[in-house]
Amino acid sequence: DSGVTQTPKHLITATGQRVTLRCSPRSGDLSVYWYQQSLDQGLQFLIQYYNGEERAKGNILERFSAQQFPDLHSELNLSSLELGDSALYFCASSVDGGRITDTQYFGPGTRLTVL
Amino acid sequence: AQKITQTQPGMFVQEKEAVTLDCTYDTSDPSYGLFWYKQPSSGEMIFLIYQGSYDQQNATEGRYSLNFQKARKSANLVISASQLGDSAMYFCAMREPNTGNQFYFGTGTSLTVIP
Repeated sequence: DSGVTQTPKHLITATGQRVTLRCSPRSGDLSVYWYQQSLDQGLQFLIQYYNGEERAKGNILERFSAQQFPDLHSELNLSSLELGDSALYFCASSVDGGRITDTQYFGPGTRLTVL
Repeated sequence: AQKITQTQPGMFVQEKEAVTLDCTYDTSDPSYGLFWYKQPSSGEMIFLIYQGSYDQQNATEGRYSLNFQKARKSANLVISASQLGDSAMYFCAMREPNTGNQFYFGTGTSLTVIP
């Protein structure tokens, strides 16, 4: 158990809908990262938050947004869902004291299926 | 250029044998960190081992060791005495201060342990 929690574990929804994925980082970790893993595109970095502020943006679509709350949990919002958004969405957390040794620990993932 | 390259999409190893999974990286930063993760079929991403660019010795964690060859920019994962439970996808990753300590992941290697 990495200490990172994600809910829900599975999510099935229809095209055009909006969903929210939730992540709680490990105790003491200030950074939260979101990744999308699909069969044909591997692990894609979406966005990073550090202590409530957006720190880095990757290949995140405009239909997707995220935020990190004062208690450090994070939510990833996916809207106007398309079939191609079906994937495994990971949250990872890290202390991120600016050290290269700061390891990312992953949550169990949310498997999103868009029908 | 890819930051992390894993050239072996799939590997097979006999149970109890050792196996090496290749990883090469690209960075101009003298300070960086290298990581390996395991993703079993259940989906979670499990942190295995870390190697820092200034570490003099190769990292080891139980049956996992990292064959770090700095001049060749390679960080191969060696799994000794393979077990059936080692069958999984393995991802190599790097973080470097130059790019804000972002994590870069390779495309992964699928390892199958044969009884």
